[in-house]
Amino acid sequence: AQSVTQLGSHVSVSEGALVLLRCNYSSSVPPYLFWYVQYPNQGLQLLLKYTSAATLVKGINGFEAEFKKSETSFHLTKPSAHMSDAAEYFCAVSADFGNEKLTFGTGTRLTIIP
Amino acid sequence: EAGVVQSPRYKIIEKKQPVAFWCNPISGHNTLYWYLQNLGQGPELLIRYENEEAVDDSQLPKDRFSAERLKGVDSTLKIQPAELGDSAVYLCASSSPGLTPANTGELFFGEGSRLTVL
Repeated sequence: AQSVTQLGSHVSVSEGALVLLRCNYSSSVPPYLFWYVQYPNQGLQLLLKYTSAATLVKGINGFEAEFKKSETSFHLTKPSAHMSDAAEYFCAVSADFGNEKLTFGTGTRLTIIP
Repeated sequence: EAGVVQSPRYKIIEKKQPVAFWCNPISGHNTLYWYLQNLGQGPELLIRYENEEAVDDSQLPKDRFSAERLKGVDSTLKIQPAELGDSAVYLCASSSPGLTPANTGELFFGEGSRLTVL
């Protein structure tokens, strides 16, 4: 079975500082990995995904993530935080292409300090 | 293009009462999902439809929960009777047909229906 663990349920960073949200996965097969963002009172929106192509994946709003098999990690980063980045971020995993059953992590709430 | 539409956005009921949530997916999306999101948790899949067929309902508590997707478009999720522990956000999502590595895992979520059971 596949699972993801998000380290840190709350992360606070100053505006302009580096954003780092951590995600580690467990999978018996090469996984497909995703980051979704949820703004207050809105549905989830796909930020980026890893599907066994390039290990460094770029997404929307300046976010990127790097797949590291040796560390079973897929951490999300952004060089400079904006106030508009304040939201809840979810890491998710699926077993393989065609298996659309996503398993989500518990989420990390990102707060931006002015 | 219109997104996934859910209603109602908020619902407050007393325990033991029934409740129903409605979802209209993005036009042309054959796959429809209902997810449960408890406070402070990630979404958990309740049921997945491919057209009219429920292909994965293993996590749906069938004693009180039911779902249907007549004609393979809109879907309704029902709880009867509701319990205090059912207070949560119920998310509907859809994904496009013609699955490829380019679009795999890209689910489009509605804004959710927040249920409060008193």
